[in-house]
Amino acid sequence: NAGVMQNPRHLVRRRGQEARLRCSPMKGHSHVYWYRQLPEEGLKFMVYLQKENIIDESGMPKERFSAEFPKEGPSILRIQQVVRGDSAAYFCASSPLGPNSGANVLTFGAGSRLTVL
Amino acid sequence: KQEVTQIPAALSVPEGENLVLNCSFTDSAIYNLQWFRQDPGKGLTSLLLIQSSQREQTSGRLNASLDKSSGRSTLYIAASQPGDSATYLCAVLNTGGFKTIFGAGTRLFVKA
Repeated sequence: NAGVMQNPRHLVRRRGQEARLRCSPMKGHSHVYWYRQLPEEGLKFMVYLQKENIIDESGMPKERFSAEFPKEGPSILRIQQVVRGDSAAYFCASSPLGPNSGANVLTFGAGSRLTVL
Repeated sequence: KQEVTQIPAALSVPEGENLVLNCSFTDSAIYNLQWFRQDPGKGLTSLLLIQSSQREQTSGRLNASLDKSSGRSTLYIAASQPGDSATYLCAVLNTGGFKTIFGAGTRLFVKA
């Protein structure tokens, strides 16, 4: 089991371009979470998805950001028209159980570090 | 609204010392509390998960306790080693919610 795989590990974009970050959850995990970590700050929840459905996107900026988790393939976090403030590490986590389970352990990927020039 | 606070923000200790990291949370209605380790430029590694019905969990030199009523958890590290140097994050999952809320972390440096 390769764990949670994120790519690219590092991404550089110029202002106005699009960034697409991918996350393949652990085998058997159907719950995916995206978090953002700004420099010297903690992790902030962005969105929770279960196969083909967005369950909670309360942490996502209303504009330019979107996420999907299709039936086949990885989950994708898409940022359109990036700005310098989008520079951060974006982490994906997956779990085998839904969040309403006390035994639910989150397994994190190594993160994708976005730099906007 | 759940808020998670970790004290101290940074800690430097000599090798071999036992140490305690503190975490407090404002809403006691939680499913679980999880401690993670994050190395610079890396992802998060889960260390211990304590369910709301549990009081503590142990793994090797690590012991985590949970006092839900007072909104506190501690992570005890015995006989610290330079390899323990990392940022330690505390995170709680609220009942009825979907998101795990993280503290800002404690940055630990163990001197050889």
